[in-house]
Amino acid sequence: GAVVSQHPSWVICKSGTSVKIECRSLDFQATTMFWYRQFPKQSLMLMATSNEGSKATYEQGVEKDKFLINHASLTLSTLTVTSAHPEDSSFYICSARIPGRVSYEQYFGPGTRLTVT
Amino acid sequence: EDKVVQSPLSLVVHEGDTVTLNCSYEVTNFRSLLWYKQEKKAPTFLFMLTSSGIEKKSGRLSSILDKKELFSILNITATQTGDSAVYLCNNQGGKLIFGQGTELSVKP
Repeated sequence: GAVVSQHPSWVICKSGTSVKIECRSLDFQATTMFWYRQFPKQSLMLMATSNEGSKATYEQGVEKDKFLINHASLTLSTLTVTSAHPEDSSFYICSARIPGRVSYEQYFGPGTRLTVT
Repeated sequence: EDKVVQSPLSLVVHEGDTVTLNCSYEVTNFRSLLWYKQEKKAPTFLFMLTSSGIEKKSGRLSSILDKKELFSILNITATQTGDSAVYLCNNQGGKLIFGQGTELSVKP
């Protein structure tokens, strides 16, 4: 149980275009999902917390107009990178917790590698 | 400012060696500290620690938390090449913060 999927697993896009990444909890409902970015040889950096039915909470320094997050259902959150630039190239990972559990364990999706040319 | 610092950043050992990975933290509203293993893709959960002095074990891996000194260690005994990965320490306090990770390489 507790499987999180992401789609696509990798994407190449041209500078100036927008890219949407989906994060789905497959066998549980996730009221909260998290979006991370990871650059090569670096750790996970939390970008935003996605809450079902309400606005996402963005970390300091993350542009909410550039990284649009929508959490319209209990099993799906999307991250749209708008007007992508080469510096947005990174590994994007989502995670979710099982609501109601005491454990703070996060279940991670397999990640999406974005390359902007 | 909340922070999580791991050491060493990288480590190369031979199969059969024992390694100790360190994680120190300064966070507000501490709730728990988690260890993850990250190979090619997304991290996988290893341990969650909330209480001081209670060792968690899973096979050759074990971990313990010291809430007074604000650190945790992850031990791996009799290392195998399959243990090669980045090990991440994650603090769940007021913010979700990951350490920089320790890149472990186990040579045959």
